[in-house]
Amino acid sequence: EIVLTQSPGTLSLSPGERAILSCRASQSFSSNYLAWYHQKPGQAPRLLIYGASSRAAGIPDRFSGSVSGTDFILTISRLEPEDFAVYYCQQYGASPWTFGQGTKVEIK
Amino acid sequence: QEQLVESGGGVVQPGGSLRLSCAASGFTFSTYRFHWVRQAPGKGLEWVALISYDGNDKYYADSVKGRFTISRDNSKNTLYLQMDSLRVEDTAVYYCARVTIGSGSPSWGQGTLLIVSP
Repeated sequence: EIVLTQSPGTLSLSPGERAILSCRASQSFSSNYLAWYHQKPGQAPRLLIYGASSRAAGIPDRFSGSVSGTDFILTISRLEPEDFAVYYCQQYGASPWTFGQGTKVEIK
Repeated sequence: QEQLVESGGGVVQPGGSLRLSCAASGFTFSTYRFHWVRQAPGKGLEWVALISYDGNDKYYADSVKGRFTISRDNSKNTLYLQMDSLRVEDTAVYYCARVTIGSGSPSWGQGTLLIVSP
């Protein structure tokens, strides 16, 4: 199965700062079927990015996704208070689906 | 509006059984493969099972193989997860999910909570 490794484990930043989250895949998979989610306590994961770089409906343009080979990046250009959460990447291009272990973005 | 709604969660003793349901609406259910994904309290996301369009092909995570059974009823637009021989470590929120045709984006329900406790 494809292993996704997220880094860093925790990112401590202030509102207004830029966040860069990484997700590295152990092998390539079809069509860059890589998604990013954020999750707040007690809530379901919310889809932010799919297909490595497409924003989901209703997601503000401060969120962007990019890819270089098997390295995927989620960038949040200017952190808003509601962006402090745990972020997961997921590959859905190969079976079984697999997920990264998560990156927590916390207020510094 | 396309929607997935899970139900059937609850509290069960170890060794017990429970069946989860996922009701789909707003799209052609029979044209999609479906997955179950779970998340234990304070933990990450774990894929559980996958079923093909017609229900003939099923795949499971090693952690649930032989205990869980995924199934579907295309006439009722409903996905199921039969869970037997439940363990404390099966405690989690269970989500059903698919990949939408066209956009290729994942789509999830809101989840249903299973608690396995003595």
